Amino acid sequence: GAVVSQHPSRVICKSGTSVKIECRSLDFQATTMFWYRQFPKKSLMLMATSNEGSKATYEQGVEKDKFLINHASLTLSTLTVTSAHPEDSSFYICSASDGFSYEQYFGPGTRLTVT
Amino acid sequence: ELKVEQNPLFLSMQEGKNYTIYCNYSTTSDRLYWYRQDPGKSLESLFVLLSNGAVKQEGRLMASLDTKARLSTLHITAAVHDLSATYFCAVENTGNQFYFGTGTSLTVIP
Repeated sequence: GAVVSQHPSRVICKSGTSVKIECRSLDFQATTMFWYRQFPKKSLMLMATSNEGSKATYEQGVEKDKFLINHASLTLSTLTVTSAHPEDSSFYICSASDGFSYEQYFGPGTRLTVT
Repeated sequence: ELKVEQNPLFLSMQEGKNYTIYCNYSTTSDRLYWYRQDPGKSLESLFVLLSNGAVKQEGRLMASLDTKARLSTLHITAAVHDLSATYFCAVENTGNQFYFGTGTSLTVIP
C-alpha cells in the first residue's frame, strides 16, 4: 500500500517552454502533497505544500508564478514549470500524506532537463 | 527556519567496520525520519522515530532519537557493500512538512 507515482519519469524540454509533472497517490487519498527539488549530489529542498482544493503554500525563495501547483483531487497534484530555463533542470520529487499516519510517501521522481 | 545538518557528508568505510552518522536539527521536533537514496532513485524509508529515546533497528542499521539534544544517530554495524548509498535524515515541523538533512554519502569498500 501507500504507493505514489510520478509522470513522466524523465522529460527534456527546450528553454522557454512549460512542462507539467503529475503526482498521483494510487491506493490512498492524499490530503496533503509536497513537492521537492533535488540538485545533483544535494539534499531535497521543500518547494511547496499543497492541500486538496486550496492554494499551495510555497517555501521562501520559491517563485509561485514559475512553479504552478494544482491539487485538484485527493489523488492528484501537478507541478508546472513555466518558461523553463536550464537552471530549472533538477530532480523533482513529490510526496503525499494521508492525514492519518505520520509518514510521507515519496514518488519515484521526475528528472527534468532544460536545454 | 528549521535547519538540519548531518555529518559526515562523505563516509568511506571498509566492510565489516562500524560507524555512526549524526543528524542535528535546530528547532523542537518529536519526529525524525531516516531515508536511503540510491543514485538516480527516489527515497526509501528506513526508520520513523516518533519520541524521545526511540530506538529502532533493522538489520545492520540502528537509529536513535534524543529530542532534548536535537540529535539523531544512524549506526551502521559490520558494514557491507550493499549499504553504499546516500542517507538522509528529515525532521518534521508542526505543519507536517519535512526538512531534510544535508545527506551522507556512504561508500563501503570491500
